[in-house]
Amino acid sequence: GDSVTQMEGPVTLSEEAFLTINCTYTATGYPSLFWYVQYPGEGLQLLLKATKADDKGSNKGFEATYRKETTSFHLEKGSVQVSDSAVYFCALSDETGDYKLSFGAGTTVTVRA
Amino acid sequence: DVKVTQSSRYLVKRTGEKVFLECVQDMDHENMFWYRQDPGLGLRLIYFSYDVKMKEKGDIPEGYSVSREKKERFSLILESASTNQTSMYLCASSQGQGGANEQFFGPGTRLTVL
Repeated sequence: GDSVTQMEGPVTLSEEAFLTINCTYTATGYPSLFWYVQYPGEGLQLLLKATKADDKGSNKGFEATYRKETTSFHLEKGSVQVSDSAVYFCALSDETGDYKLSFGAGTTVTVRA
Repeated sequence: DVKVTQSSRYLVKRTGEKVFLECVQDMDHENMFWYRQDPGLGLRLIYFSYDVKMKEKGDIPEGYSVSREKKERFSLILESASTNQTSMYLCASSQGQGGANEQFFGPGTRLTVL
């Protein structure tokens, strides 16, 4: 079945550091890929998505590129802020259209001033 | 502003009690979902619904049931709560068909079963 593997945390960074969170997936066909973020005390919210190979999703300075050849969707940000401290989840939805998302385990990121 | 609300942020129940978790969305979305979130496991889908009175099992439906009598409301029921159901429960909704549609999440209910 479909699955998502993302790098284990926790990750602790200083402000203005570069952030990468690795995500790889297993799926048949051509899934859609997502990054969701969960700020402390809140539900998840969509950060960015990509629906086909070589697409780049971007939002709030974060980027991720859908790489079918490496089955990856790594999240990057060039200069993090304290406000980026959160839990980040990689997820996929397969192409069957049954609405379900498969999530990775989540990566906790803490940014220190 | 779109919104998914859940009836409680924190809930403490005893083993064997029947527990109701309520979720309401104001976006007129067709699809609604219940997940549980546990450290190191991410989110796991319990049940989902793509229409009123329709329900589908997710990956971990055992020990749970759901009810969707109105489009905006999706209830998760623990018929006889057990300690291994202590978790964070998240409700979500989405519009229309297709896996690429964004899911909107509520703030979660942290359930403790003693």
